[in-house]
Amino acid sequence: DIQLTQSPSFLSASVGDRVTITCRASQGISSYLAWYQKKPGKAPKLLIYAASTLQSGVPSRFSGSGSGTEFTLTISSLQPEDFASYYCQQLNSYPYTFGQGTKLEIK
Amino acid sequence: EVQLVESGGGLVKPGGSLRLSCAASGLTFSNAWMTWVRQAPGKGLEWVGHIKIKADGGTTDYAAPVKGRFSISRDDSKNTLYLQMNSLKTEDTAVYYCSTLGYSSGWLYFDYWGRGTLVTVSS
Repeated sequence: DIQLTQSPSFLSASVGDRVTITCRASQGISSYLAWYQKKPGKAPKLLIYAASTLQSGVPSRFSGSGSGTEFTLTISSLQPEDFASYYCQQLNSYPYTFGQGTKLEIK
Repeated sequence: EVQLVESGGGLVKPGGSLRLSCAASGLTFSNAWMTWVRQAPGKGLEWVGHIKIKADGGTTDYAAPVKGRFSISRDDSKNTLYLQMNSLKTEDTAVYYCSTLGYSSGWLYFDYWGRGTLVTVSS
């Protein structure tokens, strides 16, 4: 199975900050990587697929980059509604594994 | 608007069975690959399995922890996805989400999600 390791696991930041989350794959996955936002009690929300393609309706402050084994999710200017958990997911091969998550908290 | 609504969760004893449903609307369900994902309390997201559309063989794939115990099926006439869970273990306790498996230009992603249904396995 392909393992995904996110860093950091916890991130404390302020409104307006620029933050970056990294996702590393245990083997190459081309650009078969998606990012999701998850808030307690809510459904996960797709942010980015194909490593860098912004899902329709997602604010442009979210961006993704990378290919192969290293990927990043960047939020250019944090808004209050962005404080949540974020997960990467590989869709290169079964099982479609997720990273362990990054919890973004208000400083 | 696409809506996915899960139901059927509840409290079940270890070794018991439960069937979850996911009612879909706002999409051509028969053309949608469907998946189940779960999140245990305080844990991350875990892919459970998926089912392809009939035109692609209607085949299923499962994560190792549930293979042989869980079964995914679909009724396209009712726009409903199912997850039959047998031989349940305490570690199956989680919120279970259904989602659509979308694809664009060869790229895959889980685009629409339900709000989940809680399954608690406890004696």
